[in-house]
Amino acid sequence: ETGVTQTPRHLVMGMTNKKSLKCEQHLGHNAMYWYKQSAKKPLELMFVYNFKEQTENNSVPSRFSPECPNSSHLFLHLHTLQPEDSALYLCASSQEQGQRGYTFGSGTRLTVV
Amino acid sequence: GESVGLHLPTLSVQEGDNSIINCAYSNSASDYFIWYKQESGKGPQFIIDIRSNMDKRQGQRVTVLLNKTVKHLSLQIAATQPGDSAVYFCAENNQGGKLIFGQGTELSVKP
Repeated sequence: ETGVTQTPRHLVMGMTNKKSLKCEQHLGHNAMYWYKQSAKKPLELMFVYNFKEQTENNSVPSRFSPECPNSSHLFLHLHTLQPEDSALYLCASSQEQGQRGYTFGSGTRLTVV
Repeated sequence: GESVGLHLPTLSVQEGDNSIINCAYSNSASDYFIWYKQESGKGPQFIIDIRSNMDKRQGQRVTVLLNKTVKHLSLQIAATQPGDSAVYFCAENNQGGKLIFGQGTELSVKP
């Protein structure tokens, strides 16, 4: 365990479903990140939260909606996704945004059917 | 745009041999670099890092070399073991607080 926990580990959803991914860290970090990892592609940064405030939205489609109720929890709400959204979604945290190293969770493997 | 790329997508080595994984980066303003290891079913795990004011840094069985002149980064793994089989990513911090990742190299260790 890295200290960053993601649930669920696997998720299959239809294109009309609504689901949420959860990330939790108890490392005392104040910055949290969502990354998308597709096959044969580099990790793509999606969102950044620093002290619960969103500081980065990397041109992510509105069918992905993040939520950060406190510094320890981060959600990614999903609705009307497309098959090409199937990927591994990784959450990471760091002491603060701009801090050097990130701690990653194990990810949620999402399949959109 | 900014990019970090790896020269080879796959690398196969014999157990006990040394492995060298390469990475090229394009942003000369990047001042911090990290190597991550990602095993199947897991998220990336920190291996070793290096700041731009250094050329070399050693860890346990791993060494990172930074050549700022040609914007090249490499990870050397000594006496490679089956447990080293994974995908290895380099990442650069471009002073903006964001890590930019390369595509990854899959290391396969043959017994």
